Amino acid sequence: DAGVIQSPRHEVTEMGQEVTLRCKPISGHDYLFWYRQTMMRGLELLIYFNNNVPIDDSGMPEDRFSAKMPNASFSTLKIQPSEPRDSAVYFCASSLIAVLSTDTQYFGPGTRLTVL
Amino acid sequence: AQTVTQSQPEMSVQEAETVTLSCTYDTSESDYYLFWYKQPPSRQMILVIRQEAYKQQNATENRFSVNFQKAAKSFSLKISDSQLGDAAMYFCAFSGSARQLTFGSGTQLTVLP
Repeated sequence: DAGVIQSPRHEVTEMGQEVTLRCKPISGHDYLFWYRQTMMRGLELLIYFNNNVPIDDSGMPEDRFSAKMPNASFSTLKIQPSEPRDSAVYFCASSLIAVLSTDTQYFGPGTRLTVL
Repeated sequence: AQTVTQSQPEMSVQEAETVTLSCTYDTSESDYYLFWYKQPPSRQMILVIRQEAYKQQNATENRFSVNFQKAAKSFSLKISDSQLGDAAMYFCAFSGSARQLTFGSGTQLTVLP
């Protein structure tokens, strides 16, 4: 398996622009998570899905952030409009809990977002 | 809410020696999982080892082992025969009924040749 795939790996944009981050989870996994990593706040959960349904979005910082999972193979995290304080590394992770019940999450390589 | 504390921001070890990274956590749950992840300069989050709370036996993966003390809510990582490739940021993480990972602040490990 190719593992969790994220795109783009790097994104540089200007304040006010829309940014879309993409994630393809490991095939067959039933949970998908979006995390953000910054020096100040460390790793924090933004939102997670179970079987394509958002379960907990309490970590989404504000209405400028939105996430979707239209099918089991694809998820997006959108920021509109973007701000310099959104600059961070965004990770997607997936896990197979329903069957294995191991709670082990496998991470993608991350997207480094820079908002100028 | 769960909390995970890593009290050592930085650690260093001589190549081939042993080092222990500390982690404590706080939870009211009895069934949960604990993890150590490694993050090298590439930023990739790599699973190092996993421990199920219901298992009394400490997990081991090659040169990596844990000391899990459930009553004390302690979960330390021991790296034996340290190698240069072990240099990275190490994160301790907790997963409970909410299924999400709560991470500690990380320990930056330097391996000295």
